[in-house]
Amino acid sequence: DTAVSQTPKYLVTQMGNDKSIKCEQNLGHDTMYWYKQDSKKFLKIMFSYNNKELIINETVPNRFSPKSPDKAHLNLHINSLELGDSAVYFCASSQRGGASDFGPGTRLTVT
Amino acid sequence: GIQVEQSPPDLILQEGANSTLRCNFSDSVNNLQWFHQNPWGQLINLFYIPSGTKQNGRLSATTVATERYSLLYISSSQTTDSGVYFCAPVQGGSEKLVFGKGMKLTVNP
Repeated sequence: DTAVSQTPKYLVTQMGNDKSIKCEQNLGHDTMYWYKQDSKKFLKIMFSYNNKELIINETVPNRFSPKSPDKAHLNLHINSLELGDSAVYFCASSQRGGASDFGPGTRLTVT
Repeated sequence: GIQVEQSPPDLILQEGANSTLRCNFSDSVNNLQWFHQNPWGQLINLFYIPSGTKQNGRLSATTVATERYSLLYISSSQTTDSGVYFCAPVQGGSEKLVFGKGMKLTVNP
């Protein structure tokens, strides 16, 4: 059983398109996150939701919009994709203040 | 925000060797986690260790929060230990994991 799952695993798309990445966790955690890992392996938090409420919103372009339909799901929608959005996007979950479990990542390539 | 420094940035070992990875952070922390990113990109949580010492098999970790550092020990290294190790503290008063730049470990057979 996969604890934190993401779809798709790979996403190749052209500049200007809109795409979504989905995340689900079956751990019963109350907090979910999106992280971005760039080409130099640097990991940075983008968003965090606790029980469907947005609690962390880093300085991310407003082309990125997270949505949490319930506490087991956190999706990431990206509008008007740019070359610089190419990265690996990780979803994670935790009990608030606890250890984080990460999904397998979604490698986004914008051409 | 909190600054995180990991050392060394890269390390090459022969199988069976021991190693110590260090993480320094610039501010008080609520918690601290160590992760291993394997060559396939998967991030595995090794330790949740805001203070004290924990052991898990050949790995152990110690965090001295008052002195703002954490150490990850790998004993009798194996080729499967290869990958990038990240330290990620959570700054006091926030919920954010702040990742260091990582330490690339290569274990040769």
